[in-house]
Amino acid sequence: DQQVKQNSPSLSVQEGRISILNCDYTNSMFDYFLWYKKYPAEGPTFLISISSIKDKNEDGRFTVFLNKSAKHLSLHIVPSQPGDSAVYFCAALSTSGTYKYIFGTGTRLKVLA
Amino acid sequence: NAGVTQTPKFRVLKTGQSMTLLCAQDMNHEYMYWYRQDPGMGLRLIHYSVGEGTTAKGEVPDGYNVSRLKKQNFLLGLESAAPSQTSVYFCASSEMGLALFFGPGTRLTVL
Repeated sequence: DQQVKQNSPSLSVQEGRISILNCDYTNSMFDYFLWYKKYPAEGPTFLISISSIKDKNEDGRFTVFLNKSAKHLSLHIVPSQPGDSAVYFCAALSTSGTYKYIFGTGTRLKVLA
Repeated sequence: NAGVTQTPKFRVLKTGQSMTLLCAQDMNHEYMYWYRQDPGMGLRLIHYSVGEGTTAKGEVPDGYNVSRLKKQNFLLGLESAAPSQTSVYFCASSEMGLALFFGPGTRLTVL
């Protein structure tokens, strides 16, 4: 039973436009969410996070939105750049539980020049 | 600071052989994790540790064992490797409730 789902395996976006990556979760105990970026042959790198007490967090070109009632979060990248082409993973954590970070299956973003 | 390092980077095993993957972190983090990445499956948690001397099972623990004898090291063992364990293995560490920091990965092939 997948607790964190990324239903879009891939996404193509034109350079300069907005990229929107989506993530759904099922466990209402999750209270901290993270996005990671992964290039081939490298480890994932942390991008941005959000606590369940917030509904939005921004860091430069990256914004994460959290809709707790829908158990849905999204990552917006504006403007998208060719260097953003990578696989993006969302992850969820229950800070009052076992501290297991559970990841989605990833979305491959391709930004076209 | 080196962050999270993993040894080895690549390894090829025959079915039934054993090996140990070593993870080391120099950030004094309490929490350490082992994940495997397979196509279409994302990152799946194998085992994790919430402090020196502790270990716990993740989502896919079967066929693996772990040890955390020192705070900075987290070892992942395969006692009898199987082709289904062909994967890329990532170690990660974190402080309580904060972002995970990942190592560069170990690519393991079991023939």
